[in-house]
Amino acid sequence: GQNIDQPTEMTATEGAIVQINCTYQTSGFNGLFWYQQHAGEAPTFLSYNVLDGLEEKGRFSSFLSRSKGYSYLLLKELQMKDSASYLCAGGLNTGFQKLVFGTGTRLLVSP
Amino acid sequence: NAGVMQNPRHLVRRRGQEARLRCSPMKGHSHVYWYRQLPEEGLKFMVYLQKENIIDESGMPKERFSAEFPKEGPSILRIQQVVRGDSAAYFCASSPGTSPTRNSPLHFGNGTRLTVT
Repeated sequence: GQNIDQPTEMTATEGAIVQINCTYQTSGFNGLFWYQQHAGEAPTFLSYNVLDGLEEKGRFSSFLSRSKGYSYLLLKELQMKDSASYLCAGGLNTGFQKLVFGTGTRLLVSP
Repeated sequence: NAGVMQNPRHLVRRRGQEARLRCSPMKGHSHVYWYRQLPEEGLKFMVYLQKENIIDESGMPKERFSAEFPKEGPSILRIQQVVRGDSAAYFCASSPGTSPTRNSPLHFGNGTRLTVT
């Protein structure tokens, strides 16, 4: 099967760095996505890793290790507006965008 | 460029009624997906459609649920004879192509929150 595990909640302080981990069973996934979702809003795309290594995009970076079934999202210089849920999702190797999502990590950024 | 548009944002139905959820994909996108988000659970794939074709409906409950994406007009997710367990947020997403890439990920709408009383 394809399971995605990530912590339920995390807290951090404005200006700090936070790392949100995601582990998954390795069978059948072709790439790993991270989405941000504010309460009551649409999930918005943050990153997509298909190869091992670190992808950096501004304050956000994402890492993937396919052999370990492990990814993380790194958020630097945290701002209050980063308080949201962060969704880790594996892309199934179906030829289209059938994603398996984790339950999401609720991040609370405090002053 | 308008994003994925879903309506209504909130829908309340009594048990046994029908719910119709509408989704207009982003301009230029011909691939539509429906996902469901139950409270405290992750988004779950329901169905993938292209114009006039259902490509994969493996995530759809076998009964009462149907989806379409006609040649003209929005995609519709239809739930007949709703039950309390259908209460959830239903998200539509679209993409310009089939394979996920950094430049063509899924774009989600704001969802329709269905409450069955």
